[in-house]
Amino acid sequence: DAGVIQSPRHEVTEMGQEVTLRCKPISGHNSLFWYRQTMMRGLELLIYFNNNVPIDDSGMPEDRFSAKMPNASFSTLKIQPSEPRDSAVYFCASRMASVGGTQETQYFGPGTRLLVL
Amino acid sequence: AQSVAQPEDQVNVAEGNPLTVKCTYSVSGNPYLFWYVQYPNRGLQFLLKYITGDNLVKGSYGFEAEFNKSQTSFHLKKPSALVSDSALYFCAVRPTGFQKLVFGTGTRLLVSP
Repeated sequence: DAGVIQSPRHEVTEMGQEVTLRCKPISGHNSLFWYRQTMMRGLELLIYFNNNVPIDDSGMPEDRFSAKMPNASFSTLKIQPSEPRDSAVYFCASRMASVGGTQETQYFGPGTRLLVL
Repeated sequence: AQSVAQPEDQVNVAEGNPLTVKCTYSVSGNPYLFWYVQYPNRGLQFLLKYITGDNLVKGSYGFEAEFNKSQTSFHLKKPSALVSDSALYFCAVRPTGFQKLVFGTGTRLLVSP
């Protein structure tokens, strides 16, 4: 099992540029989560999907952020235009949600470290 | 409001001694509770969870946690700390009826040789 795969692992860009972060969840998982981690704010949930459908995007900072999940094996988080305050580590996590709730564990990818200059 | 508190920013313990990392929560209903560990420049790794049943949960790397409903706590413990346990530990809760996790602010564990 390859686990959750994220790319790129590191991204350095200039303010105003578009940034696209990618995530491949664990095969068979039906829920996907995007988080942002900063020293100041800790871990924040940005958005999550169930069966490729966005369920809760209340954590998305503003309209510059968008996320898509075109199929069960791929998701993107896009920032356009990027700003220095977007600098953070972005994590993707996936889970197999079940009716009984026993498979509740979220498994995290290694993260993408984003630096916006 | 749903929240998780990790009252200690850092916990220092000598190798071989027992360790405790504290977590309390404030949610309605019967929550699911989790502990994750994060090593430098790595993602979060799942350690253990409490869903239902026995209040003492055993997890990876010799860690365990005790669910205490009356005190709304879920403290992480290990009988004998290793230097390699030094990392950032996160407590998280999934409130009843919610899909997402609420994370604490994290506790840095430093185990000295």
